[in-house]
Amino acid sequence: AQSVAQPEDQVNVAEGNPLTVKCTYSVSGNPYLFWYVQYPNRGLQFLLKYITGDNLVKGSYGFEAEFNKSQTSFHLKKPSALVSDSALYFCAVRDWRNYGGSQGNLIFGKGTKLSVKP
Amino acid sequence: ETGVTQTPRHLVMGMTNKKSLKCEQHLGHNAMYWYKQSAKKPLELMFVYSLEERVENNSVPSRFSPECPNSSHLFLHLHTLQPEDSALYLCASSQDGARQNEQFFGPGTRLTVL
Repeated sequence: AQSVAQPEDQVNVAEGNPLTVKCTYSVSGNPYLFWYVQYPNRGLQFLLKYITGDNLVKGSYGFEAEFNKSQTSFHLKKPSALVSDSALYFCAVRDWRNYGGSQGNLIFGKGTKLSVKP
Repeated sequence: ETGVTQTPRHLVMGMTNKKSLKCEQHLGHNAMYWYKQSAKKPLELMFVYSLEERVENNSVPSRFSPECPNSSHLFLHLHTLQPEDSALYLCASSQDGARQNEQFFGPGTRLTVL
């Protein structure tokens, strides 16, 4: 079965320190992987994606993610956290089941709450 | 977030009411989605429309009824809801036909069922 796991409900980091939000996946086809961020009372915002190529993907707001095929992981990272990075982060993987003409379905993890303290 | 708009942003309704949620995308996409987000649960995909045709109905109760009159608009009609239906309802769109395309989300409608 295809799935995404975010093992941590919450990650606490001090401002200026590096942060990592973990994600592992299980898919039946090529792993197309995505990270989204959700600020309070807002929708999800796309951060970055891995489709193919370089295992280190750079995205918005200084975030990057490292694809590791052997560990089936796609952890989100940032070298220096900001208080404004505090939000809910979702990892997602492309669902390879076909539904008629639609090829865009995503399977989301349950989310990780990131808290950055001054 | 202006690419995908949702109205209303907040909705309180009784169990016997009928209401509708509206979503509009200004991105020229051809696929639209409804998700339900409940506290401490993964996002639940409810419905998918591709080229204005419903292609996914993820075991959603019939008290939720989607409508997609064109590729820019998506509605979710609600009737005789239950308190457990209280959640944030998110709309998203994408350019279908390419598996690597990301989805763009609206701000959501916070629904409370009394």
